[in-house]
Amino acid sequence: QLVLTQSPSASASLGASVKLTCTLSSGHSSYAIAWHQQQPEKGPRYLMKLNSDGRHSKGDGIPDRYSGSSSGAERYLTISSLQSEDEADYYCQTWGAGIWVFGGGTKLTVL
Amino acid sequence: QVQLQESGPGLVKPSQTLSLTCTVSGGSISSGSYYWSWIRQPAGKGLEWIGRIHTSGSTNYNPSLKSRVTISVDTSKNQFSLKMSSVTAADTAVYYCARGITVAGTNWFDPWGQGTLVTVSS
Repeated sequence: QLVLTQSPSASASLGASVKLTCTLSSGHSSYAIAWHQQQPEKGPRYLMKLNSDGRHSKGDGIPDRYSGSSSGAERYLTISSLQSEDEADYYCQTWGAGIWVFGGGTKLTVL
Repeated sequence: QVQLQESGPGLVKPSQTLSLTCTVSGGSISSGSYYWSWIRQPAGKGLEWIGRIHTSGSTNYNPSLKSRVTISVDTSKNQFSLKMSSVTAADTAVYYCARGITVAGTNWFDPWGQGTLVTVSS
């Protein structure tokens, strides 16, 4: 079964960097994913798509502070030079076996 | 650029049918090869994919909702719609429409609508 696992929460200080993780279930380590950001009281926004080899392509207007990388079954979203507006929920998403699948989301707090 | 906007009743009675429409602006719903999708989010919870309709008219649904859901498209109005029957309080959520894109085996949603809250209550 295709499952995406994310830590429920993460925190980092203003100006620092943070690395969020999305883990693909066993047997699906080659899958590409996408990252989406959901700021408080807003709809989600597409950030980037991320391949198993770490190649990623960002959406329009996404700052250079956002980057993606991969290792095995893990997909990462790194945000550098954290700003207050980066405080949001972050969801990973993929497709398989006829359905689109979301991770449970990580709530990022900027301290 | 393409923008999506959801519309429909904010309150639906239990056992009735929920009906929502997504209006696409800034581009034709018929152009390209896209998957026009519905996704929902109960308060304080994560995202759940409901289903999609391809530009060709073919549909796919989340197996957990398939028996109650129908997605259709009206190309003359540049809209696609969601109908969910026999709703209960568990269907209370913010409903989003989104454009699904598939390129070289990678799939993602972009853009998303701003969402509309549907409450199921008598």
